[in-house]
Amino acid sequence: KNEVEQSPQNLTAQEGEFITINCSYSVGISALHWLQQHPGGGIVSLFMLSSGKKKHGRLIATINIQEKHSSLHITASHPRDSAVYICARTSGGGADGLTFGKGTHLIIQP
Amino acid sequence: GAGVSQSPSNKVTEKGKDVELRCDPISGHTALYWYRQSLGQGLEFLIYFQGNSAPDKSGLPSDRFSAERTGGSVSTLTIQRTQQEDSAVYLCASCSWWYTEAFFGQGTRLTVV
Repeated sequence: KNEVEQSPQNLTAQEGEFITINCSYSVGISALHWLQQHPGGGIVSLFMLSSGKKKHGRLIATINIQEKHSSLHITASHPRDSAVYICARTSGGGADGLTFGKGTHLIIQP
Repeated sequence: GAGVSQSPSNKVTEKGKDVELRCDPISGHTALYWYRQSLGQGLEFLIYFQGNSAPDKSGLPSDRFSAERTGGSVSTLTIQRTQQEDSAVYLCASCSWWYTEAFFGQGTRLTVV
């Protein structure tokens, strides 16, 4: 079954902490995406990756193709990082060609 | 443009009115998806277009919902006789032929009052 599982569902941390959000998927991918949605806001694409690691500012995304697993890391977390983070995979086409995780609700407390 | 563009970004409508949501995908992307995110919920598949093939409408929740994609490019999602439960963020995404690329719109936040 084509599924994307995220963990944790909810995460509350203190400002400055190192944050890790995990994403596992059940079938091979063409690409793995991380998205961010602030409360009441639109959806913003953070990363698109098919191998290795990408970094943008304090955000780092990694993927292990063999283990079908990706992680999103936030270094030196800040209250403005509070948002829902969504993992999505693309491959194969059809209605299942794009599949989303349920999201991780992150709160960073000052 | 540089990304997938959705309009409007926010829409407030009265119950019973019809609304149209627009998606401008990445030029050359053959696949286009519409998803819906109700409050506190995950993203729910609505409809999928691939090139000139018949769309997969299996996710549309009722016959009040319809979508079209003209010339393999711009797509419009229409909701007739809106209900309060239609309030949600509607997200459009387009993908390249081999799905090596996917780009996402910012979503349209629909509020039915």
